[in-house]
Amino acid sequence: DAKTTQPNSMESNEEEPVHLPCNHSTISGTDYIHWYRQLPSQGPEYVIHGLTSNVNNRMASLAIAEDRKSSTLILHRATLRDAAVYYCILREKYNNDMRFGAGTRLTVKP
Amino acid sequence: NAGVTQTPKFQVLKTGQSMTLQCAQDMNHNSMYWYRQDPGMGLRLIYYSASEGTTDKGEVPNGYNVSRLNKREFSLRLESAAPSQTSVYFCASSEIQGALGVGYTFGSGTRLTVV
Repeated sequence: DAKTTQPNSMESNEEEPVHLPCNHSTISGTDYIHWYRQLPSQGPEYVIHGLTSNVNNRMASLAIAEDRKSSTLILHRATLRDAAVYYCILREKYNNDMRFGAGTRLTVKP
Repeated sequence: NAGVTQTPKFQVLKTGQSMTLQCAQDMNHNSMYWYRQDPGMGLRLIYYSASEGTTDKGEVPNGYNVSRLNKREFSLRLESAAPSQTSVYFCASSEIQGALGVGYTFGSGTRLTVV
């Protein structure tokens, strides 16, 4: 899988939107963009994924750049429960080896 | 809805001891995975099973063996534990392999310490 680059940490205020960036300049045409998050002392939790078009679900939105070299996970109103490590991962279509990097540690301040 | 269940939640082993980590899922998923997470680091894939009856090595398979007992269960065995295997182990499952489907469902982890 191609590599991704994320900031080590970000801070947000409660009830404000959060934009978590991810760079993936070597992405291939068959790579899907997946986002997971890991709350303290828990296993990772699937958030959202996409290929080319922007995606929305009940948890978040995923904005994908037109050239697909970057993407942004958007939490529309951060809550204290959203404090977690967020992982951006590229997955080839039939590849089972999903590789997690260090991710971005999001701190939400009340 | 239990999802992915891992046992035990905590374990302390002495160097050289063996043990099996158990994982079971009740979502009728075809694929199952074992990951390890060392302090302050991301997850690394140990082994996976794309479907019942098949297993394949991941990024860090040395020192481990796996068994896909049936569609529900996927166990991870440490034959001779070493301090370097001190980690948190996560089991996961997915409906289909690869990136086409929705994401993986993870268990809550087994925290293993080897002294």
